[in-house]
Amino acid sequence: QKEVEQNSGPLSVPEGAIASLNCTYSDRVSQSFFWYRQYSGKSPELIMSIYSNGDKEDGRFTAQLNKASQYVSLLIRDSQPSDSATYLCAVNKENYGQNFVFGPGTRLSVLP
Amino acid sequence: DGGITQSPKYLFRKEGQNVTLSCEQNLNHDAMYWYRQDPGQGLRLIYYSQIVNDFQKGDIAEGYSVSREKKESFPLTVTSAQKNPTAFYLCASSESGLRSGELFFGEGSRLTVL
Repeated sequence: QKEVEQNSGPLSVPEGAIASLNCTYSDRVSQSFFWYRQYSGKSPELIMSIYSNGDKEDGRFTAQLNKASQYVSLLIRDSQPSDSATYLCAVNKENYGQNFVFGPGTRLSVLP
Repeated sequence: DGGITQSPKYLFRKEGQNVTLSCEQNLNHDAMYWYRQDPGQGLRLIYYSQIVNDFQKGDIAEGYSVSREKKESFPLTVTSAQKNPTAFYLCASSESGLRSGELFFGEGSRLTVL
């Protein structure tokens, strides 16, 4: 079993719709969770971090964490064509000492 | 502006040659990382360093070497022992300590073996 799993996609949604991206992780000691956006040929950029169970909202983005189910998701409301990118889920297995593990990424396509 | 600078952006190498990728940061971060990304795949950790003069192997360290002589610098050497070095290489840094989770990435170096 891979440590961090995501559907590779592509996930296609119409402009204005909600895009839902999912990620599961295998190591229960994982402490912190991140979503990075990566445009083609570019480096990843952080869009959300979440550390506690529940929801965290930032603008059009909402991260949801369920540690019991080992599941983290990212919702993008009012999706825009500029949101079309690959979204990488990352898990930090240690609170100190930094051991980030990335999922393979989900490619999102927002159709005008 | 604070950030991470990687060079070169593009690099071509003949088989059997060693190449060194540069990574410099002015964020005053303790931790630095090297990742490799292949087309359609996620990031895989090559090496990381939590402090000057110390570094640890990641998941795919074979055929690579690093040094951390200065806090700002973490160069990666791709040796001739690396069997399939063509990839996109990303350097990153982060603060150390509790919940210091954000990784800051450089723009990447794209290595092609001819």
